[in-house]
Amino acid sequence: ETGVTQSPTHLIKTRGQQVTLRCSSQSGHNTVSWYQQALGQGPQFIFQYYREEENGRGNFPPRFSGLQFPNYSSELNVNALELDDSALYLCASSPRFGDGENEKLFFGSGTQLSVL
Amino acid sequence: SQQGEEDPQALSIQEGENATMNCSYKTSINNLQWYRQNSGRGLVHLILIRSNEREKHSGRLRVTLDTSKKSSSLLITASRAADTASYFCATEGDFGNEKLTFGTGTRLTIIP
Repeated sequence: ETGVTQSPTHLIKTRGQQVTLRCSSQSGHNTVSWYQQALGQGPQFIFQYYREEENGRGNFPPRFSGLQFPNYSSELNVNALELDDSALYLCASSPRFGDGENEKLFFGSGTQLSVL
Repeated sequence: SQQGEEDPQALSIQEGENATMNCSYKTSINNLQWYRQNSGRGLVHLILIRSNEREKHSGRLRVTLDTSKKSSSLLITASRAADTASYFCATEGDFGNEKLTFGTGTRLTIIP
């Protein structure tokens, strides 16, 4: 198991609502990335935060936004939920400038979001 | 969009046999990684191979990389029931700096 924790584990929302997902990164990791994984697909990169600033974004609309806090934990916010937002949302942390293979990601167990 | 495509999409083998999964990608890369996912939960990093490496081993895993063909393979030797999972290749290239582009995955089932 990694030291990355996500909450909640499951969430049910209705279309048009807003949702906030939370992630605590592994100790010593200053970079947090968020991924969306639809059923039967591979994860898709949403965005990355490094030292509290967005550091790259995938092909997701602005209603997907995030924050990183001084302790490197992070939030993913999704506004105006759509049915297609139903997916497993994965948070991953990495050390950026540690020793060894800094590029590898340590994933949390994910939040399963269902939009009805 | 998915950068990589794994092949096959699903694979079932007997325990003790070797399992080979292939991954193709589209653009130039810095490195290629393989991850395992059990039952739709978090992904676990297995192995990383850099663009200037051709082969790498870790325990029962062997990864090869052919940048001229933009392809990689993952070999799991002497498979065990616990190896049952989905396997994904991921490349760091499009976005850089640990922003990975994942393939579609291979669902591996080990039959006891």
